[in-house]
Amino acid sequence: EIVLTQSPATLSLSPGERATLSCRASQSVSSYLAWYQQKPGQAPRLLIYDASNRATGIPARFSGSGSGTDFTLSISSLEPEDSAVYYCQQRSNWPGTFGQGTKVDIK
Amino acid sequence: EVQVLESGGGLVQPGGSLRLSCVASGFTFTSYAMSWVRQAPGKGLEWVSTISNDAGSTYYYADSVKGRFTLSRDNSKNTLYLQMNSLRAEDTAIYYCAKCNSAWYLCSFDYWGQGTLVTVSS
Repeated sequence: EIVLTQSPATLSLSPGERATLSCRASQSVSSYLAWYQQKPGQAPRLLIYDASNRATGIPARFSGSGSGTDFTLSISSLEPEDSAVYYCQQRSNWPGTFGQGTKVDIK
Repeated sequence: EVQVLESGGGLVQPGGSLRLSCVASGFTFTSYAMSWVRQAPGKGLEWVSTISNDAGSTYYYADSVKGRFTLSRDNSKNTLYLQMNSLRAEDTAIYYCAKCNSAWYLCSFDYWGQGTLVTVSS
């Protein structure tokens, strides 16, 4: 099973700042990595698929990069509504796996 | 508008059974694989099971549920089912029905239901 490790566990930033979230895979997942946003009491929402493709309706301030074992989700200018937990997910090998999440707090 | 709506959750005793349903609309159901993802209280996400897009000839299960859970789909009703048997306390979670963004079982999930809570407790 491929293990995804996300860092940091928590990120506390001010509105307008740039957020950089990391996801590292225990073995190569090529570009088969997605990012999700989950707010309290809500289902996850797909932000990025296949490492760098924004999902439908996702604002341009969200971007993804990376391949192989190292991936990054960037939020260029934080908005108050970006406060959430962010998960990465790989679809390279079964069973597909999720990272443990990074919580983003907006000060 | 794409929608997926789960039902069937509830309180069940250890060793008991429950069947979850997921009704989908707003897209061509037969063109996409479908999955269940669960989230234990206060915890992260776990991919439970996926079924291929066709008549349901291809199924995949996490090791944690293999042999206890059975996934099926009725394409005539745009409905996905998860039959859960021999339930354990560690199966307690919100169960999300999720649409895959392809017909392939290894997928990303582009639409999610609101979730249905399964509680296994005596």
